[in-house]
Amino acid sequence: EADIYQTPRYLVIGTGKKITLECSQTMGHDKMYWYQQDPGMELHLIHYSYGVNSTEKGDLSSESTVSRIRTEHFPLTLESARPSHTSQYLCASSDAGTGVSPLHFGNGTRLTVT
Amino acid sequence: AQRVTQPEKLLSVFKGAPVELKCNYSYSGSPELFWYVQYSRQRLQLLLRHISRESIKGFTADLNKGETSFHLKKPFAQEEDSAMYYCALSAPGSARQLTFGSGTQLTVLP
Repeated sequence: EADIYQTPRYLVIGTGKKITLECSQTMGHDKMYWYQQDPGMELHLIHYSYGVNSTEKGDLSSESTVSRIRTEHFPLTLESARPSHTSQYLCASSDAGTGVSPLHFGNGTRLTVT
Repeated sequence: AQRVTQPEKLLSVFKGAPVELKCNYSYSGSPELFWYVQYSRQRLQLLLRHISRESIKGFTADLNKGETSFHLKKPFAQEEDSAMYYCALSAPGSARQLTFGSGTQLTVLP
C-alpha cells in the first residue's frame, strides 16, 4: 500500500549521540519535507527536497542535515544530539505537479535527548 | 513573510452546536489556504483547501481576503470531530510550501 513511513516512532537518547531519523515513501512523490513541532506549537519547516540530490533548508534553522539519494528515502541526521533537539519530527511528501499539492504526513518521530 | 494565526489553542462545544475555528493570515498577495486535521492517534491529514470550495465531513471554510481570514465552520458538531486542527497557507511561487498555524484543539462534548 502506498504510504509514508517514519522510524522510529519514539527515541530516547543521550547527549552527544549521533542519530538518524528515517523517512520513506512509496507514493512516487518527488517532493519531501521535514517539519519540527514542539508541543502546542506550530509546525516549522526545517528541510525540504524537490528531487534526488536536491535539498534545501527551511524556515527554521536546524543543526540537522538531510540527504536525498533515492526518490523514496529522505533521512534526517543529527551528528551530536542535545537536549534542545527534543521535539517531534514530522516527515511529509507531495506530488511535484503545478500549484500546491496536499502534503501526506508520516506518523512522526518523538525525540527526547537526555 | 507570511504568517498564520489561530487565536484559540483550545475550543470546546457541545454535540449538535455550531463550531467555528478561527484562522487569520498575513500575506499581501493571493495565497492558497488549507485546513489540516489530526485525530487522536492518527497522522496529520488534509481536511480541505479553499480552491476546492468543497464541504468535507460537514466542514466548510471561506476565504475572506478583506479580513484575511479562513475560518473553519460546521453547523452541527459531532463527537468524532474532536481533534487538532491546523490552518496552513501557501504563497504562490513559494518554494517552501506550507506555513502552519499553531493549531486549535477542538473537543466536542456529549
